[in-house]
Amino acid sequence: EPEVTQTPSHQVTQMGQEVILRCVPISNHLYFYWYRQILGQKVEFLVSFYNNEISEKSEIFDDQFSVERPDGSNFTLKIRSTKLEDSAMYFCAGSGTGGSNYGYTFGSGTRLTVV
Amino acid sequence: GQQVMQIPQYQHVQEGEDFTTYCNSSTTLSNIQWYKQRPGGHPVFLIQLVKSGEVKKQKRLTFQFGEAKKNSSLHITATQTTDVGTYFCAGREETSGSRLTFGEGTQLTVNP
Repeated sequence: EPEVTQTPSHQVTQMGQEVILRCVPISNHLYFYWYRQILGQKVEFLVSFYNNEISEKSEIFDDQFSVERPDGSNFTLKIRSTKLEDSAMYFCAGSGTGGSNYGYTFGSGTRLTVV
Repeated sequence: GQQVMQIPQYQHVQEGEDFTTYCNSSTTLSNIQWYKQRPGGHPVFLIQLVKSGEVKKQKRLTFQFGEAKKNSSLHITATQTTDVGTYFCAGREETSGSRLTFGEGTQLTVNP
């Protein structure tokens, strides 16, 4: 069964540093999403991406965050000047032609720890 | 903004007992999805409900979507230890864009 692949699985970074989280979506998916989950809490929407541009973003997704699809396959989330409260599990997800009218396939996540 | 609430937050059952989690949205939904997240894992899609009053079954799991399309439930009959995990509902507002908003989840533990 096709999988969404995320790298790295765990990233430790110093406060103030920039991190790039990477995702390889399923090839026939058209809609892509980033979510985050602070330990033991709910899954929070960050941003959705379609047709090489952001289609929607949440209040969390401020100027500190950016998303790109640099080579038409990989999908990245960049966090500039990380803060302690950015520590969380970050999930990439994708869905087919119907967007959120179809179930999302999540990657295994990147655990970001900001120290 | 849209809020999706789930109760209970935690549920401990003996193996063989039934389990139900309830989901309520502050706004009318176009669809509701359910996900399961095993400890240390990622959310895995279980099912989507679209129609008002819809009921779907997957083996021991029964999913319902309320008539007003603002609430939903997941019922597991005769729980097994493999049912352990957190169950999330997630809904998309009828009037919004692509955002799928997750509830807080119900963490299920099953004692053998």
